[in-house]
Formats: sequence, C-alpha cells, structure tokens
Amino acid sequence: AQSVTQLGSHVSVSEGALVLLRCNYSSSVPPYLFWYVQYPNQGLQLLLKYTSAATLVKGINGFEAEFKKSETSFHLTKPSAHMSDAAEYFCAVSVRGYSTLTFGKGTMLLVSP
Amino acid sequence: DGGITQSPKYLFRKEGQNVTLSCEQNLNHDAMYWYRQDPGQGLRLIYYSQIVNDFQKGDIAEGYSVSREKKESFPLTVTSAQKNPTAFYLCASSIEGGSSPNYGYTFGSGTRLTVV
Repeated sequence: AQSVTQLGSHVSVSEGALVLLRCNYSSSVPPYLFWYVQYPNQGLQLLLKYTSAATLVKGINGFEAEFKKSETSFHLTKPSAHMSDAAEYFCAVSVRGYSTLTFGKGTMLLVSP
Repeated sequence: DGGITQSPKYLFRKEGQNVTLSCEQNLNHDAMYWYRQDPGQGLRLIYYSQIVNDFQKGDIAEGYSVSREKKESFPLTVTSAQKNPTAFYLCASSIEGGSSPNYGYTFGSGTRLTVV
C-alpha cells in the first residue's frame, strides 16, 4: 500500500520568502504524485502532478516540485511567497494503473506581511 | 462549464437521522469518489465507484452507503450507524485508468455536515 508523509502541519513564511513544503512517499511501484491546494471551506484544486515525464514539474501560481526517487520525495517550492498563497496544501500519491489517491495530512501555509 | 456540484453546502443532522449528500458531475468521468476531511487528518476515502452500478468500500466505509445508478451522480448517505458524522465531505471524479498521464481528480466544493 502507498502512503504519504507531509513534514510540518504548519509552515510560516514572510511575504517574498521562499516556500518549501515537504512530502515523502512510500510506494512499492512507480507512483504518480500530486500537490493540491485548499482554501477555507472549498474543495481541492490541483497545483501540479508528476506522471513519469520530467522530474521537475511546474504548476500553477508559480509553484514547482521535483520528484527524487532516491529520496522518495516530492517537495513543493515557490521562490517568493504572496499573501494569497496562504492555504492548506496536500500531497497525494497513486499507484499507476490504480485509480484512488492516498493523501497526506496536509500542511497549512501561513504568510505574514 | 464542466465541473462537480455538491449540495447542500451546509447540512445539519439530528441524532439518529440518515442524511444524503448529493454529488453530480458533467465531466463525463467514469470514476467518482467520496472523501471525509477532519482537521489534522487529511482526506480519508469512504467509497469509490469506477463504473455505473458498481462501487467499492474505502478505508472508512462503516456507517455510510452509496449508489451509482447514473454516470453523472454518486450520492452518499450518512446513516445513523455513523457515530461521529460531523465533518467536511468532498466528492471527486476522474477519468478511469490510473495509468493515464491525464489522470487526476476534480473536486467539488464540499458539504459541511454538523450533528445537532
């Protein structure tokens, strides 16, 4: 079975600072990996996904993530945080050929002026 | 525009009542899913369906039931057997075939259920 661990339930950054949200996965077969963002009382919106093409994946709103097989990681980064980035972020994994996603517990990103 | 519609946005349930949450999609997706979200616990899979008239239990199916009579619709019933139903419920859909590079979930905006 696959699993996802997100390090840090809360991450605080200043506006303009680097954003780094950590995600490690466990999967016995090559995974698909996803990052989603959730604003309060809303559904989840896809930021980006890795599906075995380029290991550096670029997403919406200036976010990107790098798949590192040797480290079983898929960390999410953004060079410069905006106030509008304050939200909860979820990393998720699926096994290729199998349709359900397994989600991490989420990381709340707090952005201060 | 295509998307997923969940209704109602807020729902209140009395002890011992069954309630049904609606989920409708017009994306022509084969697969649909129900997740429960609690603070600090992420999303946990309740039920999913990959084809009409078929569905499978997820990790926390006890106290819930579903049906999939139409491709577009996947309602979730929270029964009185669910002892702690207060949560945020999210419905999602995807193309079938987790091996497709186009695979990924589209989520509805959620239903917040509160027991009163």
